[in-house]
Amino acid sequence: NAGVTQTPKFQVLKTGQSMTLQCAQDMNHNSMYWYRQDPGMGLRLIYYSASEGTTDKGEVPNGYNVSRLNKREFSLRLESAAPSQTSVYFCASSEVGRNQPQHFGDGTRLSIL
Amino acid sequence: DAKTTQPNSMESNEEEPVHLPCNHSTISGTDYIHWYRQLPSQGPEYVIHGLTSNVNNRMASLAIAEDRKSSTLILHRATLRDAAVYYCIPYTDKLIFGTGTRLQVFP
Repeated sequence: NAGVTQTPKFQVLKTGQSMTLQCAQDMNHNSMYWYRQDPGMGLRLIYYSASEGTTDKGEVPNGYNVSRLNKREFSLRLESAAPSQTSVYFCASSEVGRNQPQHFGDGTRLSIL
Repeated sequence: DAKTTQPNSMESNEEEPVHLPCNHSTISGTDYIHWYRQLPSQGPEYVIHGLTSNVNNRMASLAIAEDRKSSTLILHRATLRDAAVYYCIPYTDKLIFGTGTRLQVFP
């Protein structure tokens, strides 16, 4: 019962370094999402992929890129990390449709010094 | 996007019922109402969703007002494990998380 798996769980970067956060789901879902959550706040959508081969910007896409590698995997890349990107990052997946629940991973805690 | 209003925090004693309210007066007719919860240091967890009719599952019940401008998540017997932040979200084409209601459960 893996569900949505995110790696790594923790990471510390220096300003200007690059990094890719990995996400994989084993539920055969078509849609996948990347969110960030800052302390005391709700989640904000960074990018999403409605289906394999498509990606779209969410609420806060600046400074990030994504790749939908295949149906299972959706990665998030920080090309030049900034302290403002210190956050907890969550990946989620779902079937298509407003009546479909999203399933979340346990998050990646990223600190940028 | 529909705006939601939830209490910042609520308290309950263990084994008592909890009613978590949510106002979503600008919801459109085709938006499902989703509820998620987030336990400390974990990702959000789906709880329940509905469109017009009241819904029940093993975790909770969802009561939706007839005009759909509000809904109430009902935990029938709160446990310590139910202490979490609860988010009410009208699902348009994406989930928009607010700050939710922090539920404290006391033994």
